[in-house]
Amino acid sequence: EVQLVESGGGLVQPGGSLRLSCTGTGFSFSHHYMNWVRQAPGKGLEWVGRTRDKVNSYNAEYAASVRGRFTISRDESERSLYLEMNSLKSEDTAVYYCAIEGDNSGPDFESWGQGTLVTVSS
Amino acid sequence: QSVLTQPPSASGTPGQRVTISCSGSSSNIGNNYVYWYQQLPGTAPKFLIYKTNQRPSGVPDRFSGSKSGTSASLAISDLRSEDEADYYCAVWDDSLSGPIFGGGTKLTV
Repeated sequence: EVQLVESGGGLVQPGGSLRLSCTGTGFSFSHHYMNWVRQAPGKGLEWVGRTRDKVNSYNAEYAASVRGRFTISRDESERSLYLEMNSLKSEDTAVYYCAIEGDNSGPDFESWGQGTLVTVSS
Repeated sequence: QSVLTQPPSASGTPGQRVTISCSGSSSNIGNNYVYWYQQLPGTAPKFLIYKTNQRPSGVPDRFSGSKSGTSASLAISDLRSEDEADYYCAVWDDSLSGPIFGGGTKLTV
């Protein structure tokens, strides 16, 4: 059974930084694209970015709204996905979910974590 | 304002059939598979439909997906109270080079 567990959320001031983690078990870590998707309070889902699989060198891709401020990486030995967030804004306040893609062919987010809440406020 | 347009709400009574639409363009729905997610209150989204009309194991056949041109639909037959949730469509957008979500539809049973 696939399990994804996010951690690292919390309260941060505007302009600050935060690092989220997502640890995954029950799947071949190196073979799946892994994504971050966020949901602002009372709003819809928004794709943040992803890392591709090992064959594609775990290359990262980002949504325009976070490109240049957020960095996604993964550590195979820790079976973990990371989201480094800098220059945080109030509009980054959201629950952040990690999700794996089933066959790496699109938004086929077959498994999701429970999410971690990030609040950007002074 | 999402690139994919969904009605904000839908409703039905137990046993009825409801459909939820998702309207896009040639750079997304018109050229790629559509995915659907169900989000029950206070929980993470759940994988509901993939590659436009395929169901993951464990998803009842009451749920079905379809596509025509630049629009897609999710149909739920034999509606049940446990179907009350938010539903999101998602698709890869060739112009944006990334996946996009519809704004979501809140289904009331």
